[in-house]
Amino acid sequence: AQKVTQAQTEISVVEKEDVTLDCVYETRDTTYYLFWYKQPPSGELVFLIRRNSFDEQNEISGRYSWNFQKSTSSFNFTITASQVVDSAVYFCALSGFYNQGGKLIFGQGTELSVKP
Amino acid sequence: NAGVTQTPKFQVLKTGQSMTLQCAQDMNHEYMSWYRQDPGMGLRLIHYSVGAGITDQGEVPNGYNVSRSTTEDFPLRLLSAAPSQTSVYFCASSASRGNTEAFFGQGTRLTVV
Repeated sequence: AQKVTQAQTEISVVEKEDVTLDCVYETRDTTYYLFWYKQPPSGELVFLIRRNSFDEQNEISGRYSWNFQKSTSSFNFTITASQVVDSAVYFCALSGFYNQGGKLIFGQGTELSVKP
Repeated sequence: NAGVTQTPKFQVLKTGQSMTLQCAQDMNHEYMSWYRQDPGMGLRLIHYSVGAGITDQGEVPNGYNVSRSTTEDFPLRLLSAAPSQTSVYFCASSASRGNTEAFFGQGTRLTVV
């Protein structure tokens, strides 16, 4: 069975702090995809990143970075120098190779609050 | 660019009523899915489709029906609404090759009283 766990339900930081959102997954598939989505207070779901299981390189996009470690089944997300606009619920998700974006298993979500 | 369009945005139903949530996408995506979002539980897959005429159940299919007669449309039917179906519903679509991230609609907030 596939499962995604985001153990941090809520995180509160002050602006400019760095924050890491944890994601741990379980799957028996040898090929799979991992995703992060952002849900701002307005409610829409915004795609942030997709990573396949063959690519363990860390990725950086501006203030965002992702650390994928197959050895610990983790795909953590770090925001550097957080800003108030980063306040949102963040979801980590997993899919198998053949379904990819069509059949996602989501974690419970982490609500990030960035205070000025 | 419309992307994924869901209607309605808000709906209140009485217990036992039926209704259809509409979802349409204009990206020619093969995959379409319905999820429900409940507090503390993330998004859970209700039904999904890998192409016109093909559907399958997700994690929480009971009380919902789907059909996919065209590539563009994937309606979700609530047969006899129950308070437990109060939730926010999201429709998503994705391609089967290339960049396969799911694109989500704006969501439908459904309240069953």
